[in-house]
Order: sequence, then structure tokens, then C-alpha cells
Amino acid sequence: ETGVTQTPRHLVMGMTNKKSLKCEQHLGHNAMYWYKQSAKKPLELMFVYSLEERVENNSVPSRFSPECPNSSHLFLHLHTLQPEDSALYLCASSQGRSVLNEQFFGPGTRLTVL
Amino acid sequence: DQQVKQNSPSLSVQEGRISILNCDYTNSMFDYFLWYKKYPAEGPTFLISISSIKDKNEDGRFTVFLNKSAKHLSLHIVPSQPGDSAVYFCAATWYSGGGADGLTFGKGTHLIIQP
Repeated sequence: ETGVTQTPRHLVMGMTNKKSLKCEQHLGHNAMYWYKQSAKKPLELMFVYSLEERVENNSVPSRFSPECPNSSHLFLHLHTLQPEDSALYLCASSQGRSVLNEQFFGPGTRLTVL
Repeated sequence: DQQVKQNSPSLSVQEGRISILNCDYTNSMFDYFLWYKKYPAEGPTFLISISSIKDKNEDGRFTVFLNKSAKHLSLHIVPSQPGDSAVYFCAATWYSGGGADGLTFGKGTHLIIQP
């Protein structure tokens, strides 16, 4: 595997379910990100991890819980979601957090909350 | 209120012609701008960037122009090729303090290259 991979690619869940999204980067990067893209809205940054520590949390509801066990893996744990949380969730990684360091994106997980 | 605006949701251009994608921003703090390209079922990929100390940056068929006084940037693709059909996102940040965390994205423009 190369680049940034995300699993699952599609997920349908009920509002009472608990699920997790997984991201893995094979680029040796030390920063990882979760983004949300809702229909007809811009890409929104949710969380940033640098050297496995969370450094940004953009007022994301607590029903989204990130976890970064090591520099290659990033999870987004989901519980008691709402239908408006249906969106494309994208993971990205970069070597350092400077804007000059390109962010590499995964293909995303298309989440539908019923 | 959206700080980065891409007012054209879609754009159709004939193969071989020039494609011009536009982006406007409202935050005067922004001093670094990026364009990303996204194919269906794939993540966005970085295309080209420009710092506010320049007004033009060129990379092969892709050129980004920045007009700071108008708070406007544009991406020119010439000649346009079928493989350029994708969604293009404009993003902005302030290099001096924002870092990559501070990327603000537009909604994207779907470019369709017609044969």
C-alpha cells in the first residue's frame, strides 16, 4: 500500500450505532488530519494531530472522537451521530504542519447516518 | 460567512482551449493560496500554490494569478485536456501564523473538458 488509505470507503449507520473510521499513511509523515466535506459545503478541518498529539479541535461535537495511536494511524470514533453528520470524511497527512508541506489526502469514507 | 468563494459550481470547456477557474477571498490576512484537484472516489491532490509576494506562478500547463487588491486569484489551464476534468478547490491561509491547519477551502468548481 502506498500513500494514504482509508477504510471503510462507504459506511451506513443508524443514530444509535458506534463505528470507527480508519486512516493509515505510508509516507513517513508526522502530522495527520481529519476533514469533513458535507454536500454543497467547503472542506472543513476537524482535527489535527502532530507527533501523535492533538493540536487542533475545531469545535467538533463530542460525538466525534479522534485517536492517533502512532504516527501512521488515525481513527475517528463515531457514536450517536445525527443525520446531518452524513458527509465525506477525508484523512490527510503531511511532513510537518507548515503550509509549504503538501498535505496528501486519502480517498475518503462516505458516511450516511440514517 | 465564507472567506473563500468559488462562485462557479461548474465550468465546461472544449479540449485544447484555455480553462479559467476563479476564486475570491475576503480575509486580508491570507497570504498563501493553493489549488487542489479532486477526481471522483479519490482524495484531493495538491496542484499549485502561490505566495502573496508574487502575482503569478507557473507549472507546465497550469498558471495561477493573484490580484491582491481585488482579493482574487485564478487558475489557468492551457491547453485543456480530457484528464483535467475534475473538481478544483481553492484554499487560502496565512503563512506567517496559520500553518497548514489554517487552510480555508472554497466549495470547488467542477471542470468538464469536452472533446
